[in-house]
Amino acid sequence: DADVTQTPRNRITKTGKRIMLECSQTKGHDRMYWYRQDPGLGLRLIYYSFDVKDINKGEISDGYSVSRQAQAKFSLSLESAIPNQTALYFCATSDLGHEQYFGPGTRLTVT
Amino acid sequence: KQEVTQIPAALSVPEGENLVLNCSFTDSAIYNLQWFRQDPGKGLTSLLLIQSSQREQTSGRLNASLDKSSGRSTLYIAASQPGDSATYLCAAHRETSGSRLTFGEGTQLTVNP
Repeated sequence: DADVTQTPRNRITKTGKRIMLECSQTKGHDRMYWYRQDPGLGLRLIYYSFDVKDINKGEISDGYSVSRQAQAKFSLSLESAIPNQTALYFCATSDLGHEQYFGPGTRLTVT
Repeated sequence: KQEVTQIPAALSVPEGENLVLNCSFTDSAIYNLQWFRQDPGKGLTSLLLIQSSQREQTSGRLNASLDKSSGRSTLYIAASQPGDSATYLCAAHRETSGSRLTFGEGTQLTVNP
């Protein structure tokens, strides 16, 4: 089984809808991250969490919120989806200062 | 603010060729640097992690080097194969932000049979 899983893998939604992307990990890492990837812009950090009680904004947090339900679970919500949030979303985990491990990604399309 | 640049953006080579991918970063105060591989529409696979105190790391046909003073890292791929075709991303861990990564935009590599 994969160490970092994301659900759903693909999602098409309409403008204004609320949507949640979920991430689970079995690596036992404390640190979890959400990134989005856009052509020509690379990967950008949305939110990160160093433990269940420590959540921080990344470069592009506007329009997003997160919840760290447990050490192994970190979800990303779009409260009111807009078309420019169409992107590939990745969850990642790490220990302090060590390699980051990425999930397979969620392809989100907002119409 | 850390900026990471990868050159070239795309590279096409014949099978068997040795090649070098380049990564440069503006802030030399990095904690470590990580190289990833991404296949189309897929997630990122970690290839190599170089700690700031190291000069290079090797894994199979891959060798990554790090020169903090010049703000550069290279990924050397020996005896390239068509299966190496993918986008290669480098990412710098900034010391002041722990494990936060700043990514380059990647080099899209095509190895032709």
